[in-house]
Amino acid sequence: AQSVTQLGSHVSVSEGALVLLRCNYSSSVPPYLFWYVQYPNQGLQLLLKYTTGATLVKGINGFEAEFKKSETSFHLTKPSAHMSDAAEYFCAVSVGFSGGYQKVTFGTGTKLQVIP
Amino acid sequence: DGGITQSPKYLFRKEGQNVTLSCEQNLNHDAMYWYRQDPGQGLRLIYYSQIVNDFQKGDIAEGYSVSREKKESFPLTVTSAQKNPTAFYLCASSTRAPNTEAFFGQGTRLTVV
Repeated sequence: AQSVTQLGSHVSVSEGALVLLRCNYSSSVPPYLFWYVQYPNQGLQLLLKYTTGATLVKGINGFEAEFKKSETSFHLTKPSAHMSDAAEYFCAVSVGFSGGYQKVTFGTGTKLQVIP
Repeated sequence: DGGITQSPKYLFRKEGQNVTLSCEQNLNHDAMYWYRQDPGQGLRLIYYSQIVNDFQKGDIAEGYSVSREKKESFPLTVTSAQKNPTAFYLCASSTRAPNTEAFFGQGTRLTVV
């Protein structure tokens, strides 16, 4: 079975400061990893994903994440926070099974507050 | 534009009533999902469907029912057996390949009054 742990349910950063949101996963098979963002009362939107290949993945809005297999981590970063980055962020892991279906597990989310 | 449409956005239910949440997609996705979101608990899977006329229980299926008669539609019924139905409900769809992302609707906020 796979699982996702997001460290810190709330993170506060100053505008212009580095954003670091932590995600660790466990999976018995090679995982596919995703970060989603959710604004209040809206659905989730994909920020970026890791499937195969390059371990440093760039996404929308200046975010990036690095897949580190040895650390089972997929932390999300952004060099300089903007007020519009205030939202909730979810890490997710997806694995495939025989019969052609996937199972996705989401973390519990991290709310990012950006302080002017 | 392709996407997922959930309706209504807000729904109020009296105790003891069944209500049905609508989810329609025009992305030609095989897989569809229903999640429940409560503060601090992330997304919990209620039901999922990988193909028409087939669906599976997720982690918190008790008190809910679904159908998948058409590829485009995956309605969720919250029955009177659901003890605490007040929550934000999200529908999603994806291809069946594990390396593809899910696309989400805008959600339905259900409140029991």
